[in-house]
Formats: sequence, structure tokens, C-alpha cells
Amino acid sequence: GEDVEQSLFLSVREGDSSVINCTYTDSSSTYLYWYKQEPGAGLQLLTYIFSNMDMKQDQRLTVLLNKKDKHLSLRIADTQTGDSAIYFCADHNQAGTALIFGKGTTLSVSS
Amino acid sequence: DSGVTQTPKHLITATGQRVTLRCSPRSGDLSVYWYQQSLDQGLQFLIHYYNGEERAKGNILERFSAQQFPDLHSELNLSSLELGDSALYFCASSGGASGGNQELFFGEGSRLTVL
Repeated sequence: GEDVEQSLFLSVREGDSSVINCTYTDSSSTYLYWYKQEPGAGLQLLTYIFSNMDMKQDQRLTVLLNKKDKHLSLRIADTQTGDSAIYFCADHNQAGTALIFGKGTTLSVSS
Repeated sequence: DSGVTQTPKHLITATGQRVTLRCSPRSGDLSVYWYQQSLDQGLQFLIHYYNGEERAKGNILERFSAQQFPDLHSELNLSSLELGDSALYFCASSGGASGGNQELFFGEGSRLTVL
């Protein structure tokens, strides 16, 4: 079945870059996603990438996609304390009828 | 505010009981998804409804059931509750049925504690 794997924790200092990695199994997805969950809240879409792209940049966020290795990464430049949250990688299931999420990477930013 | 409303926000009940969680999707959204979030399992997809019909099933237990009503709100019914059912249950909505670039809008969740 479909599976999305992420590392569970990342700790960085304010001002550093953060890189969160994800691997997925279903290679037929048209889009891959990053969602963010702040404490006590639901998930919010952070960014997404179309599967025929290698890279997408959006202000401080850079998404890299390696389709051959089924690897997705999210880089946050100049990480701020407000970026502390759980970040989820998401991929469609094979039927395209639901989003399957990784377990989430907890990003902790210290000042 | 995502526009998705979930009630109740918190629920404490005993093993063996039955509860109903309610979700109102964003105005105009036809799809409703239910997810269960726990520390050990992460965010697990349970079920997807589109315009009143079941579209996809994930890791939903037989003790759990859901439905989507004509006004598009959805309910998740959890019965014969066990300690391990304690979790945060999220509802999310989107405009379409499947495929394409589907942004999901999540509610704030219903936290269920089974004692």
C-alpha cells in the first residue's frame, strides 16, 4: 500500500536553515504536498509541488523533488521561532481519492 | 479560520461507550475526509465522502462508521470504545472528489479521551 515516511524530529537554531525530508512509495501522484500543524490547531497547506517539477521556491521555502528516488524535501531558510510546528509530507493514495500523510516532523527552533 | 467546524472540541468517555463526532465542511465543499491523529500512529486516513457517497476507505475499524448528510455535514460514529481509541480526530474538506490539486482544509479537531 501507499506509505509516506519522515524523520520525527529536527532541532535548529534561529536563523539557520531547516531541511525536512520525506520518502513516498506511490509514484503516480501528480502533486505532492507539505502541510504545517501549529500547536492546538489543524493542518494547513504550506506548499505543494507538481510532479514534473524538480524544485519550487516560495519566499523562504524551497521544495525539492527527486522522482527517481521518491524523495521530497522542504527547506526553510532563515528559520524563525514562529516556524516551530509539525510538518507533514503528503501524497495521494493510488486511487487519487485521499491524501496519505507521513507521521510528521516536529521542528523545534531555539533562539 | 479554515471554515471547517468540528464539535465537540473535547470529549471524555468510558470504555465500551459510543460517541458521535460532527463536522461541517467549508461552504461549497462537497468532500469530507476523516483522519485520526495519535502519537504512535501519526495521522491516519479513515474515510472520504463526496456529496453524500463514500469515496474511499482507509484504516477505519469496523467499530467506526461515518456518513455524510444531504446538507453535506458529516458524522463519525465510534462504538465499543477502547483505550486505544483515544486520539485527536480531524475532519477536512475540499471542493472536488479526487485527483488534481486538492487542498484540504482542516478543522481544529475533536480530542477524544477514553478512560
